[in-house]
Amino acid sequence: DIVMTQSPDSLAVSLGERATFNCKSSQSVLYSSDNKNYLAWYQQKPGQPPKLLIYWASTRESGVPDRFSGSGSGTDFTLTISSLQAEDVAVYYCQQYYTTPITFGQGTRLEIK
Amino acid sequence: QVQLVQSGAEVEKPGASVKISCQASGYTFTTFGMHWLRQAPGQRVEWMGWLNVGNGNAAYSQKLQGRVTITRDTFASTTYLEVTGLISEDTAVYYCARDRTQTWYGGIDYWGQGTLVTVSS
Repeated sequence: DIVMTQSPDSLAVSLGERATFNCKSSQSVLYSSDNKNYLAWYQQKPGQPPKLLIYWASTRESGVPDRFSGSGSGTDFTLTISSLQAEDVAVYYCQQYYTTPITFGQGTRLEIK
Repeated sequence: QVQLVQSGAEVEKPGASVKISCQASGYTFTTFGMHWLRQAPGQRVEWMGWLNVGNGNAAYSQKLQGRVTITRDTFASTTYLEVTGLISEDTAVYYCARDRTQTWYGGIDYWGQGTLVTVSS
């Protein structure tokens, strides 16, 4: 199984500042035949299901604010919130869908400083 | 708009079985794959399996193979997850979630609201 490891486990950022989340996969999720990274990012608020933010490592889902961006390739990925808003408080997960079983990271909890 | 509406919470005894439903609306049911996942308290999301809604073929997590069955009723636009031989470690919130494509490797876009299954004697 591909193991997804996120860092840090928790993060406290001031409103309007940048928040950066890291995700590392135990093997590459870049598929050479289409040059796509099979990596997604989700936001989960208490009592709600996860919400898709980013897929193919850097493609923003429709309706997601442009302050959210994804980058990285191969085994190392980053989700960035450029200017933190109060409604961004949540747990953020990365997920690989390169192979089954599809696997998720343990999550990074984002709080307001 | 796309909606996935799951059946209500269940309480089951160890060794019993549970069957959860997920009714889809707002899109053509048979043209997107459907995943089932679960999240135990304080744990990361665990993928359980996927259904090709068009032809009914399913793929399962090896860890759960033999205890999990995913099926669908195309006329009712509903998928089902059945888990047998329940143990306390199966206590979790269970989610159905749509793939962005008909396959399992398009990424998951829409999720159901979740169904809490509690296994307790």
